[in-house]
Amino acid sequence: EAQVTQNPRYLITVTGKKLTVTCSQNMNHEYMSWYRQDPGLGLRQIYYSMNVEVTDKGDVPEGYKVSRKEKRNFPLILESPSPNQTSLYFCASSLSRGLNNEQFFGPGTRLTVL
Amino acid sequence: AQSVTQPDIHITVSEGASLELRCNYSYGATPYLFWYVQSPGQGLQLLLKYFSGDTLVQGIKGFEAEFKRSQSSFNLRKPSVHWSDAAEYFCAVRGNTPLVFGKGTRLSVIA
Repeated sequence: EAQVTQNPRYLITVTGKKLTVTCSQNMNHEYMSWYRQDPGLGLRQIYYSMNVEVTDKGDVPEGYKVSRKEKRNFPLILESPSPNQTSLYFCASSLSRGLNNEQFFGPGTRLTVL
Repeated sequence: AQSVTQPDIHITVSEGASLELRCNYSYGATPYLFWYVQSPGQGLQLLLKYFSGDTLVQGIKGFEAEFKRSQSSFNLRKPSVHWSDAAEYFCAVRGNTPLVFGKGTRLSVIA
């Protein structure tokens, strides 16, 4: 089944404790991205990657890192999480960055930083 | 850069009634427009998309949307709402930058 998977689905952590949220897609997509969703703000893009070893900042990149060493994986790294990073995170992928390509979304990771 | 406005934060409709969710975009050229639905606890699912051609597009689950260039709108419609349609709906636009989402409209359905 074609899908985007994220792990963990739920995470509670404390300020400053490094964490990684994994994202993997099995559709051989070139383009992957991370969003955060906050009440009243909709989805905002954190980082995106157009292909292996190519990443770029989205609208809200501060406090986050990403890497794209393999085509299928695009982990999101929080080196020193803070409470304002408590949010619902979505990974998405599409065939390419082409304007008409549909993005497929993962199920989301709900992160709470205490 | 493009932007999207969904004027209605929350809408409540009765089951069986018709539905229209509003979406206005800002972009200098013809954008690529999308509607996504997010059911409680789920990720986002694409309902429909518009790129060019016929301005009335059909999507899944009985939804349709109409692109009106003169009004910079891409409103989502459904003739008869089902209780399972209760969810949050996001309009999104893509111009020359990655996908930009509206803040969403939450739909509640009452019996």
